[in-house]
Amino acid sequence: ETGVTQTPRHLVMGMTNKKSLKCEQHLGHNAMYWYKQSAKKPLELMFVYSLEERVENNSVPSRFSPECPNSSHLFLHLHTLQPEDSALYLCASSQDSLGWRGYTFGSGTRLTVV
Amino acid sequence: AQTVTQSQPEMSVQEAETVTLSCTYDTSESDYYLFWYKQPPSRQMILVIRQEAYKQQNATENRFSVNFQKAAKSFSLKISDSQLGDAAMYFCAYTGTASKLTFGTGTRLQVTL
Repeated sequence: ETGVTQTPRHLVMGMTNKKSLKCEQHLGHNAMYWYKQSAKKPLELMFVYSLEERVENNSVPSRFSPECPNSSHLFLHLHTLQPEDSALYLCASSQDSLGWRGYTFGSGTRLTVV
Repeated sequence: AQTVTQSQPEMSVQEAETVTLSCTYDTSESDYYLFWYKQPPSRQMILVIRQEAYKQQNATENRFSVNFQKAAKSFSLKISDSQLGDAAMYFCAYTGTASKLTFGTGTRLQVTL
């Protein structure tokens, strides 16, 4: 039981498809995050939600659209992606938005754009 | 902006031996936290150890300990009595007053028999 569950584990999509990544946490945390992990690059923070409100958007292209309907769920909606968007997408949560106790991560969704 | 640098892309250690992974960071903040995360092939990032900047005492968690040098902005991880299960990517990370955890590029640790 990791506390943060991501689905699907793997996703292959064409550039014209629309798909969504799902993240769920049962830890009672108030902040949730999307990170992108590409080979040989540091993890890139994409979005931060605190108490269901977006507090940071790190200049992410509009083809990525986050949604946080409640404090336990976070989605990343994908539309007309590019091959360079292929990566591991990690969801994380923390007790509060400062994250000083650390983040809890899910196992990620491996996305391949063809 | 805060940056985290891990200068060792790969390291190797023999089982039961000790290895040290290096990390340096840059910040102008006085209150911050540093972390080491482990990412095995299962892909989930697992928190290994956490250090509060205002604490001079180095954090320890069983076989894992850190050498925190605040003035030098250095935060290395020592793994004692290495085990096969320690093989993974290790990431150093920083968080301060902004709502984000900043990571280094990682060090791949191999454990050999």
